[in-house]
Amino acid sequence: DAEITQSPRHKITETGRQVTLACHQTWNHNNMFWYRQDLGHGLRLIHYSYGVQDTNKGEVSDGYSVSRSNTEDLPLTLESAASSQTSVYFCASSKSSYNEQFFGPGTRLTVL
Amino acid sequence: GENVEQHPSTLSVQEGDSAVIKCTYSDSASNYFPWYKQELGKGPQLIIDIRSNVGEKKDQRIAVTLNKTAKHFSLHITETQPEDSAVYFCAASNFGNEKLTFGTGTRLTIIP
Repeated sequence: DAEITQSPRHKITETGRQVTLACHQTWNHNNMFWYRQDLGHGLRLIHYSYGVQDTNKGEVSDGYSVSRSNTEDLPLTLESAASSQTSVYFCASSKSSYNEQFFGPGTRLTVL
Repeated sequence: GENVEQHPSTLSVQEGDSAVIKCTYSDSASNYFPWYKQELGKGPQLIIDIRSNVGEKKDQRIAVTLNKTAKHFSLHITETQPEDSAVYFCAASNFGNEKLTFGTGTRLTIIP
């Protein structure tokens, strides 16, 4: 079955370290998104991509970067992790503008 | 940009009763309004959506209503069951703009 996966599911790191969260989808969807979820803020868009080699900044992109070298993957990198980036991160994908976004299971990141 | 407000933040309902969650949005250009359900430890999952050319949409026990003039939309769950307990998010976007702006979520608890 086609799916969207995230790894790792849980990560603890230290302030200042570089961290990469993986997102992989097997639907061949063009669009991929990264959100962070924090209590009281709902889901906030970090970065998104409409296809290979395309990346765009979302609402809360500072301190994060993404790259899209193939259709299936959109890794999220925290260049220098900060305690304010402790959160649950969700990856999502959709086929096109008018289609449902499918979410992965999430990665819980703790920055100490 | 778009701003979506969601109320209430928590809601407890006796099993069998109805639950209503309300959202307002700011951007009059928004024309797509999905609702997502998030169970504990999982990613959000689309349960129903409505587009701006429709005032109401039903799917079994779930319905969504949209008032474009007032810029608000609501989720109605009838004959609630224990498995309806979850966090519900509303969202808004503009067709052709894949980005979703989410509300802050409502934690719904069904009391047996």
